[in-house]
Amino acid sequence: KAGVTQTPRYLIKTRGQQVTLSCSPISGHRSVSWYQQTPGQGLQFLFEYFSETQRNKGNFPGRFSGRQFSNSRSEMNVSTLELGDSALYLCASSPGTIVSTDTQYFGPGTRLTVL
Amino acid sequence: LAKTTQPISMDSYEGQEVNITCSHNNIATNDYITWYQQFPSQGPRFIIQGYKTKVTNEVASLFIPADRKSSTLSLPRVSLSDTAVYYCLVGEGTGANNLFFGTGTRLTVIP
Repeated sequence: KAGVTQTPRYLIKTRGQQVTLSCSPISGHRSVSWYQQTPGQGLQFLFEYFSETQRNKGNFPGRFSGRQFSNSRSEMNVSTLELGDSALYLCASSPGTIVSTDTQYFGPGTRLTVL
Repeated sequence: LAKTTQPISMDSYEGQEVNITCSHNNIATNDYITWYQQFPSQGPRFIIQGYKTKVTNEVASLFIPADRKSSTLSLPRVSLSDTAVYYCLVGEGTGANNLFFGTGTRLTVIP
């Protein structure tokens, strides 16, 4: 089975721009979660989607948004980019319905650099 | 706001057993504790998961006391390839779905 894939792997943007990141979960997985990883803050939960519905959201501003499609693929969007948004954005999929008790399978991440 | 805390770093010689502890004071009743391993430029990889007492699989053991306010990941006989950052993950609060990774422990295995 193919693992979680994320595109693009690397991205460079300038302040004020917006960006869309894509995640394809493992086939059959319906839950997709997004995380931001930075050296200063570590791994922080962004949001979780299940069956096209956002079930949970972490403590991030409204500039961060996402969605999930009927095929479970997910996108996240960051508008009005700030320098502090530079990070590794990780997507994870899980087979069950409760992400806190499921094994999550992570993709390799998208490295976003904001200049 | 719940926090999970772990030691920042640990060093160990090859062949030794390594124990990494995570503190999680506000774990929700129905939450499991999961540990992940992360190598540079890769996403975290599942190691082990448990709810209480002790769980063992082919790569690690997980010890969870009765109050579940902490957990200990035990890696037997580490090798150089175990050099990585290790994270614990638990849910937070009664909603049990706002997820918090630990601060991560950088394990360095020395030959």
